[in-house]
Amino acid sequence: DAGITQSPRYKITETGRQVTLMCHQTWSHSYMFWYRQDLGHGLRLIYYSAAADITDKGEVPDGYVVSRSKTENFPLTLESATRSQTSVYFCASAQDRVQPSSYNSPLHFGNGTRLTVT
Amino acid sequence: AQSVTQLGSHVSVSEGALVLLRCNYSSSVPPYLFWYVQYPNQGLQLLLKYTSAATLVKGINGFEAEFKKSETSFHLTKPSAHMSDAAEYFCAVSRGGSYIPTFGRGTSLIVHP
Repeated sequence: DAGITQSPRYKITETGRQVTLMCHQTWSHSYMFWYRQDLGHGLRLIYYSAAADITDKGEVPDGYVVSRSKTENFPLTLESATRSQTSVYFCASAQDRVQPSSYNSPLHFGNGTRLTVT
Repeated sequence: AQSVTQLGSHVSVSEGALVLLRCNYSSSVPPYLFWYVQYPNQGLQLLLKYTSAATLVKGINGFEAEFKKSETSFHLTKPSAHMSDAAEYFCAVSRGGSYIPTFGRGTSLIVHP
């Protein structure tokens, strides 16, 4: 089915372990984003990508690594998980915004990954 | 720089009552404005968006929002609340040349029977 899927939906890991959250979209959207959602903070941007092999930091990138070797995939890796990274993580995509008329392109979100770091 | 302020982290209404969720933005240039809805255990979905074609924007599920430049506001309304409207609502703003939207902190809408 077309859309954006995240896996796993739920993950429990221990402090210090490496964990990767997966994101896959079938629309061939150029832009992809990773957000974390925490009570009292709303949505905070971790990293984003404008195209394959182009990534940039968002508001809270420390402790996270991303890659985008293919347009459709945008995995997020926590290199050494900490308790403060316990959160719900959302991946999103948007169509190409190169043209001025595309700046109003909405984001399409996955259903999220709930990560608990013990 | 641009920012979004949503007044009230929680709004409680009775079923059938008017829903009003407030959003104010700051932007140095005319913005693109969005409202998203998030149901429990789901991602955000687009409710409506403002793109300067009309100041009153109609969205899904009977919601609408009015862009008021003089007040830098984009409040979301619905004439009659349904139980199914209970969700988290997010206002977001982006502007031409900046494709990264800025989200407000969200407002939880509670609907009482």
